[in-house]
Amino acid sequence: GIQVEQSPPDLILQEGANSTLRCNFSDSVNNLQWFHQNPWGQLINLFYIPSGTKQNGRLSATTVATERYSLLYISSSQTTDSGVYFCAVELNTGGGSNYKLTFGKGTLLTVNP
Amino acid sequence: SAVISQKPSRDICQRGTSLTIQCQVDSQVTMMFWYRQQPGQSLTLIATANQGSEATYESGFVIDKFPISRPNLTFSTLTVSNMSPEDSSIYLCSVSGGQSSYEQYFGPGTRLTVT
Repeated sequence: GIQVEQSPPDLILQEGANSTLRCNFSDSVNNLQWFHQNPWGQLINLFYIPSGTKQNGRLSATTVATERYSLLYISSSQTTDSGVYFCAVELNTGGGSNYKLTFGKGTLLTVNP
Repeated sequence: SAVISQKPSRDICQRGTSLTIQCQVDSQVTMMFWYRQQPGQSLTLIATANQGSEATYESGFVIDKFPISRPNLTFSTLTVSNMSPEDSSIYLCSVSGGQSSYEQYFGPGTRLTVT
């Protein structure tokens, strides 16, 4: 199956700092999404980004599909950004989408006040 | 985005028993999924819940252990059968939706502890 590697596994920041999270994947994908799991366990969909660049407030993401990686940028981090950030992809099998996501192991982000 | 609720939000169960988890969506959706997240781990897809047909299970998951129902386009249940402590996990349902229809949205999860 497709391999999804996220780095770094852990990251500790001071409030106000910027960070970049990386997701590498081993094969062509139909679908790539970034999620934030807050300390209470809720998964929030941040970006659907199989290619290109998107921005939403202090967060932005870029996927370079031809080079099989995606980056999530967090600027001016806040304590509420703490949690686990997951990258998830759907393997491109050449047929129609099956919507099945394979998750990376995540990056645990801690933002200290 | 769809609004998804799950019941129960958490439970503590005895080994050997079964628990049925409900997932309700506020709009009709084609694709519903069930995931397991073991403590400190990532999410693993258990199965795709298909309306009007049998669920499609991923490698390592079987219908006898995790029977799934999908009676309509807004509701699904996952049963964890004959539980053991290794089944202690968060169980999450998700749906595909959004403008692109490929985005997935997750319910709040059910925290299961088996003693």
